[in-house]
Amino acid sequence: VHLVESGGGLAKPGESLRLACTTSGFSFNSYSMNWVRQAPGKGLEWISSIAASVGYLYYGASVKGRFTISRDNAKSTVYLQMDSLRAEDTAIYYCAGGWEGGQHFDVWGRGTVVTVSS
Amino acid sequence: QSVVTQPPSASGTPGQRVTISCSGGTSNIGSNPVNWYQHLPGSAPKLLMYADGQRPSGVPDRFSGSRSGTSASLAISGLQSEDEADYYCAAWDDSLNAFLFGPGTTVTV
Repeated sequence: VHLVESGGGLAKPGESLRLACTTSGFSFNSYSMNWVRQAPGKGLEWISSIAASVGYLYYGASVKGRFTISRDNAKSTVYLQMDSLRAEDTAIYYCAGGWEGGQHFDVWGRGTVVTVSS
Repeated sequence: QSVVTQPPSASGTPGQRVTISCSGGTSNIGSNPVNWYQHLPGSAPKLLMYADGQRPSGVPDRFSGSRSGTSASLAISGLQSEDEADYYCAAWDDSLNAFLFGPGTTVTV
């Protein structure tokens, strides 16, 4: 099982970044996918989920209206479009997946760092 | 401020038993299964316990979990130095339509 996040980096407040999580080794099409972040010195924060096939999308209050999750089942990849970035979005961003129908995340990536600073 | 709470820290000596509590509300822990994650800084979080008390393959049976009402707990028996990590409980919240993580508990051995 492999999940590899990419697309992190340095952005200025108000700018955009697009994260990708490329996966292999599990049935991506049967997994809900999620983004979870950890700000410096803070705990884990769930920010978004996308269902395996029906297309249900969920967002945490802190990112709703600014971030958009999507997936490409043909590429076994999940994306996070992050717009109107703020300093408080600075964090390690992890992608995580869980079998559709369960409510747990049993596969995780190692994360990509996003820094928002002027 | 998290609506799911955990103690910030817990500690024990090797071989001891440590219990971590996780408290929420009727729309999250009171209605949905609780999952636990182990996280060492710099590495990917790991699913430690799911559906309240189910251990994924490879997780030692020293770890056990339970849920009652709006609270859950994770117990580590036979504490080992490798158990030093941050532990997070998490559950879906039906009112918020969101997953909620607790603030995390740092276990020191």
